Amino acid sequence: GENVEQHPSTLSVQEGDSAVIKCTYSDSASNYFPWYKQELGKGPQLIIDIRSNVGEKKDQRIAVTLNKTAKHFSLHITETQPEDSAVYFCAYPGPGRRALTFGSGTRLQVQP
Amino acid sequence: DTEVTQTPKHLVMGMTNKKSLKCEQHMGHRAMYWYKQKAKKPPELMFVYSYEKLSINESVPSRFSPECPNSSLLNLHLHALQPEDSALYLCASSQEGYRTGGEKLFFGSGTQLSVL
Repeated sequence: GENVEQHPSTLSVQEGDSAVIKCTYSDSASNYFPWYKQELGKGPQLIIDIRSNVGEKKDQRIAVTLNKTAKHFSLHITETQPEDSAVYFCAYPGPGRRALTFGSGTRLQVQP
Repeated sequence: DTEVTQTPKHLVMGMTNKKSLKCEQHMGHRAMYWYKQKAKKPPELMFVYSYEKLSINESVPSRFSPECPNSSLLNLHLHALQPEDSALYLCASSQEGYRTGGEKLFFGSGTQLSVL
């Protein structure tokens, strides 16, 4: 999506390894940074989000970190499992604080 | 009920047809959204309704016509579509009315549309 770059586009890891996906944004006024997971045949599902007044947020095996100075935020998945295989999108309120703009997506494959 | 329900799941239509996509939520959410998603691409915003009023129209062609009859329902009326309009159409809702784009979105599973 415009103004948010997401890397990598594909990521393959072994079960039990960690996975990290990074997004870089351009609007320094942005203050909300969610991550969505989309499984085949389904709509995106919010898995974790962070607001700009904190640097890190964890929920079991998932964490999001935010570096406002460098204007990037990352999704960390530890102890990956086959059911983590999906497409992950970062998102943020794009220029003009409009509704969410999505990153280009990362296809994560966890090999059993 | 924590679901956003979209019907139909699949739709095939000709370029001269008129069809409608439907979306329903019973979570009491006050904003509803239409997104379009092409294969292997991210969702792209089309329309936002907040408190049943159209808040955002992302310069979508007039062959797509949204309608929000009440706070629980959202329709997308389709007329004279082109083959390039074939995509997954996703509906979403958020608890609060649209304000700054910082709302948590709840998505339906989408309608896979094919235009022949």
